[in-house]
Amino acid sequence: NAGVTQTPKFQVLKTGQSMTLQCAQDMNHNSMYWYRQDPGMGLRLIYYSASEGTTDKGEVPNGYNVSRLNKREFSLRLESAAPSQTSVYFCASRGPYSNQPQHFGDGTRLSIL
Amino acid sequence: AQRVTQPEKLLSVFKGAPVELKCNYSYSGSPELFWYVQYSRQRLQLLLRHISRESIKGFTADLNKGETSFHLKKPFAQEEDSAMYYCALSGLGGQNFVFGPGTRLSVLP
Repeated sequence: NAGVTQTPKFQVLKTGQSMTLQCAQDMNHNSMYWYRQDPGMGLRLIYYSASEGTTDKGEVPNGYNVSRLNKREFSLRLESAAPSQTSVYFCASRGPYSNQPQHFGDGTRLSIL
Repeated sequence: AQRVTQPEKLLSVFKGAPVELKCNYSYSGSPELFWYVQYSRQRLQLLLRHISRESIKGFTADLNKGETSFHLKKPFAQEEDSAMYYCALSGLGGQNFVFGPGTRLSVLP
Protein backbone atom coordinates (compact mmCIF):
# COMPACT_ATOMS: atom_id res chain seq x y z
CA ASN A 1 0.00 0.00 0.00
CA ALA A 2 1.82 3.12 -1.26
CA GLY A 3 -0.12 5.80 0.65
CA VAL A 4 0.92 9.24 -0.60
CA THR A 5 3.47 9.32 -3.43
CA GLN A 6 5.33 12.45 -4.48
CA THR A 7 7.46 12.96 -7.57
CA PRO A 8 10.16 14.00 -8.07
CA LYS A 9 12.11 13.53 -4.84
CA PHE A 10 14.73 16.14 -5.75
CA GLN A 11 14.87 18.95 -8.29
CA VAL A 12 17.14 21.87 -9.07
CA LEU A 13 15.72 24.75 -11.09
CA LYS A 14 17.02 28.03 -12.38
CA THR A 15 15.22 31.25 -11.50
CA GLY A 16 12.30 31.78 -13.85
CA GLN A 17 11.85 28.14 -14.82
CA SER A 18 8.51 26.43 -14.30
CA MET A 19 7.84 23.09 -12.72
CA THR A 20 4.97 20.87 -11.57
CA LEU A 21 5.23 18.74 -8.45
CA GLN A 22 3.08 15.64 -8.55
CA CYS A 23 1.20 13.98 -5.71
CA ALA A 24 -1.02 10.92 -5.75
CA GLN A 25 -2.78 9.01 -2.98
CA ASP A 26 -4.36 5.56 -3.06
CA MET A 27 -6.41 5.79 0.15
CA ASN A 28 -9.57 7.20 -1.49
CA HIS A 29 -9.22 10.36 0.57
CA ASN A 30 -11.27 13.44 -0.18
CA SER A 31 -8.93 16.10 1.18
CA MET A 32 -5.43 16.81 -0.08
CA TYR A 33 -2.87 19.42 0.97
CA TRP A 34 0.38 21.03 -0.11
CA TYR A 35 2.82 22.36 2.48
CA ARG A 36 6.26 23.85 2.36
CA GLN A 37 8.87 23.39 5.08
CA ASP A 38 11.84 25.71 5.15
CA PRO A 39 15.04 24.74 7.02
CA GLY A 40 14.50 24.72 10.77
CA MET A 41 10.92 25.85 10.32
CA GLY A 42 7.51 24.30 10.68
CA LEU A 43 4.92 23.55 8.03
CA ARG A 44 3.16 26.26 6.09
CA LEU A 45 0.02 25.43 4.11
CA ILE A 46 0.16 26.52 0.48
CA TYR A 47 -3.12 25.16 -0.93
CA TYR A 48 -5.62 22.50 -0.05
CA SER A 49 -8.43 20.67 -1.78
CA ALA A 50 -11.42 19.49 0.22
CA SER A 51 -12.74 17.39 -2.64
CA GLU A 52 -12.29 16.70 -6.32
CA GLY A 53 -12.85 19.88 -8.28
CA THR A 54 -12.29 22.31 -5.40
CA THR A 55 -9.16 24.10 -4.24
CA ASP A 56 -8.55 26.80 -1.66
CA LYS A 57 -5.65 29.02 -0.70
CA GLY A 58 -3.71 28.38 2.45
CA GLU A 59 -1.28 30.58 4.33
CA VAL A 60 1.33 31.13 1.58
CA PRO A 61 -0.28 30.68 -1.90
CA ASN A 62 1.56 33.42 -3.80
CA GLY A 63 3.70 32.11 -6.64
CA TYR A 64 1.90 28.74 -6.79
CA ASN A 65 -1.02 27.16 -8.59
CA VAL A 66 -2.67 23.81 -7.99
CA SER A 67 -4.82 21.35 -9.87
CA ARG A 68 -6.99 18.63 -8.37
CA LEU A 69 -6.96 16.43 -11.45
CA ASN A 70 -9.13 13.71 -9.94
CA LYS A 71 -9.68 12.23 -6.53
CA ARG A 72 -6.22 10.64 -6.47
CA GLU A 73 -4.02 13.42 -7.79
CA PHE A 74 -3.20 16.94 -6.61
CA SER A 75 -0.41 18.81 -8.38
CA LEU A 76 1.47 21.97 -7.42
CA ARG A 77 2.88 24.27 -10.11
CA LEU A 78 5.52 26.94 -9.88
CA GLU A 79 5.07 29.14 -12.95
CA SER A 80 8.22 31.23 -12.53
CA ALA A 81 10.47 29.84 -9.82
CA ALA A 82 12.23 32.21 -7.42
CA PRO A 83 15.05 31.48 -4.95
CA SER A 84 12.61 32.20 -2.09
CA GLN A 85 10.72 29.08 -3.14
CA THR A 86 13.66 26.85 -2.28
CA SER A 87 12.14 24.47 0.24
CA VAL A 88 10.93 20.96 0.94
CA TYR A 89 7.40 20.44 -0.31
CA PHE A 90 5.10 17.93 1.34
CA CYS A 91 1.81 16.61 0.06
CA ALA A 92 -0.73 15.12 2.44
CA SER A 93 -4.17 13.55 2.26
CA ARG A 94 -6.92 12.87 4.72
CA GLY A 95 -10.25 11.12 5.04
CA PRO A 96 -13.54 12.95 5.61
CA TYR A 97 -13.95 12.60 9.37
CA SER A 98 -12.51 14.95 11.96
CA ASN A 99 -10.84 12.12 13.90
CA GLN A 100 -8.80 11.05 10.89
CA PRO A 101 -5.16 12.17 10.63
CA GLN A 102 -3.31 13.54 7.64
CA HIS A 103 -0.99 11.14 5.83
CA PHE A 104 2.16 12.58 4.33
CA GLY A 105 4.35 11.84 1.34
CA ASP A 106 8.14 11.72 1.47
CA GLY A 107 8.52 15.26 0.19
CA THR A 108 10.19 16.96 -2.77
CA ARG A 109 13.43 18.84 -2.11
CA LEU A 110 13.43 21.80 -4.47
CA SER A 111 16.41 24.12 -4.94
CA ILE A 112 16.15 27.24 -7.07
CA LEU A 113 19.36 28.89 -8.14
CA ALA B 1 -10.44 30.22 15.09
CA GLN B 2 -8.36 27.11 15.63
CA ARG B 3 -4.87 27.59 16.96
CA VAL B 4 -2.14 25.30 18.27
CA THR B 5 0.84 26.55 20.25
CA GLN B 6 4.00 24.71 21.21
CA PRO B 7 5.90 27.06 23.48
CA GLU B 8 9.30 25.38 23.20
CA LYS B 9 11.12 25.61 19.89
CA LEU B 10 13.93 23.40 21.19
CA LEU B 11 14.02 20.99 24.11
CA SER B 12 17.21 19.24 25.16
CA VAL B 13 17.26 16.40 27.69
CA PHE B 14 19.73 13.71 28.68
CA LYS B 15 19.17 10.07 27.82
CA GLY B 16 17.03 8.39 30.47
CA ALA B 17 15.45 11.65 31.65
CA PRO B 18 11.70 12.27 31.43
CA VAL B 19 10.39 14.29 28.51
CA GLU B 20 7.35 16.52 28.24
CA LEU B 21 6.58 18.35 25.02
CA LYS B 22 3.91 20.96 25.57
CA CYS B 23 0.93 21.60 23.31
CA ASN B 24 -1.91 24.02 23.96
CA TYR B 25 -4.85 24.69 21.69
CA SER B 26 -7.76 27.01 21.20
CA TYR B 27 -10.92 25.75 19.58
CA SER B 28 -14.55 26.48 20.33
CA GLY B 29 -15.82 22.97 19.64
CA SER B 30 -14.70 19.49 20.61
CA PRO B 31 -11.26 18.95 19.08
CA GLU B 32 -9.48 15.93 17.79
CA LEU B 33 -5.77 16.10 18.62
CA PHE B 34 -2.73 14.40 17.17
CA TRP B 35 1.02 14.22 17.63
CA TYR B 36 3.30 13.79 14.64
CA VAL B 37 7.03 13.02 14.60
CA GLN B 38 9.49 13.92 11.86
CA TYR B 39 12.93 12.31 11.93
CA SER B 40 15.74 14.04 10.08
CA ARG B 41 14.99 14.40 6.36
CA GLN B 42 11.92 12.16 6.54
CA ARG B 43 8.18 12.54 6.20
CA LEU B 44 5.88 13.45 9.05
CA GLN B 45 4.53 10.31 10.68
CA LEU B 46 1.54 10.04 12.96
CA LEU B 47 2.76 9.25 16.46
CA LEU B 48 -0.53 9.10 18.31
CA ARG B 49 -4.02 10.52 18.49
CA HIS B 50 -5.98 11.31 21.59
CA ILE B 51 -9.03 9.33 20.57
CA SER B 52 -7.17 6.02 20.64
CA ARG B 53 -5.48 6.63 24.00
CA GLU B 54 -2.55 4.48 22.98
CA SER B 55 1.13 4.47 23.81
CA ILE B 56 3.51 4.47 20.87
CA LYS B 57 7.29 4.12 21.33
CA GLY B 58 6.73 4.80 25.04
CA PHE B 59 5.02 8.15 24.40
CA THR B 60 1.62 9.04 25.82
CA ALA B 61 -0.54 12.15 25.65
CA ASP B 62 -3.63 13.08 27.59
CA LEU B 63 -6.20 15.58 26.47
CA ASN B 64 -6.97 18.07 29.23
CA LYS B 65 -9.99 20.05 28.10
CA GLY B 66 -9.93 22.26 31.18
CA GLU B 67 -6.40 23.44 30.45
CA THR B 68 -6.83 23.05 26.67
CA SER B 69 -3.63 21.03 26.53
CA PHE B 70 -2.39 17.83 24.93
CA HIS B 71 1.15 17.42 26.25
CA LEU B 72 3.33 14.56 25.00
CA LYS B 73 5.22 12.62 27.63
CA LYS B 74 7.79 9.86 27.87
CA PRO B 75 9.26 8.67 31.17
CA PHE B 76 12.74 7.79 29.86
CA ALA B 77 14.06 9.50 26.74
CA GLN B 78 16.19 7.60 24.24
CA GLU B 79 18.67 9.05 21.74
CA GLU B 80 16.53 7.76 18.87
CA ASP B 81 13.70 10.02 20.08
CA SER B 82 15.63 13.04 18.77
CA ALA B 83 13.32 14.52 16.13
CA MET B 84 10.87 17.28 15.38
CA TYR B 85 7.46 16.90 17.04
CA TYR B 86 4.30 18.58 15.84
CA CYS B 87 0.99 18.85 17.65
CA ALA B 88 -2.07 19.14 15.40
CA LEU B 89 -5.75 19.85 15.87
CA SER B 90 -8.71 18.88 13.74
CA GLY B 91 -12.06 20.56 13.84
CA LEU B 92 -15.20 19.83 11.91
CA GLY B 93 -14.68 19.48 8.19
CA GLY B 94 -11.85 17.82 6.32
CA GLN B 95 -9.92 21.02 5.71
CA ASN B 96 -9.94 22.21 9.30
CA PHE B 97 -6.59 20.82 10.33
CA VAL B 98 -4.00 23.01 12.03
CA PHE B 99 -0.39 22.21 12.95
CA GLY B 100 1.58 23.82 15.73
CA PRO B 101 5.02 25.31 15.00
CA GLY B 102 6.83 22.22 16.23
CA THR B 103 9.35 21.42 18.97
CA ARG B 104 12.76 19.99 18.20
CA LEU B 105 13.69 17.37 20.79
CA SER B 106 17.37 16.65 21.24
CA VAL B 107 18.27 13.71 23.50
CA LEU B 108 21.86 13.96 24.63
CA PRO B 109 23.99 10.89 25.46
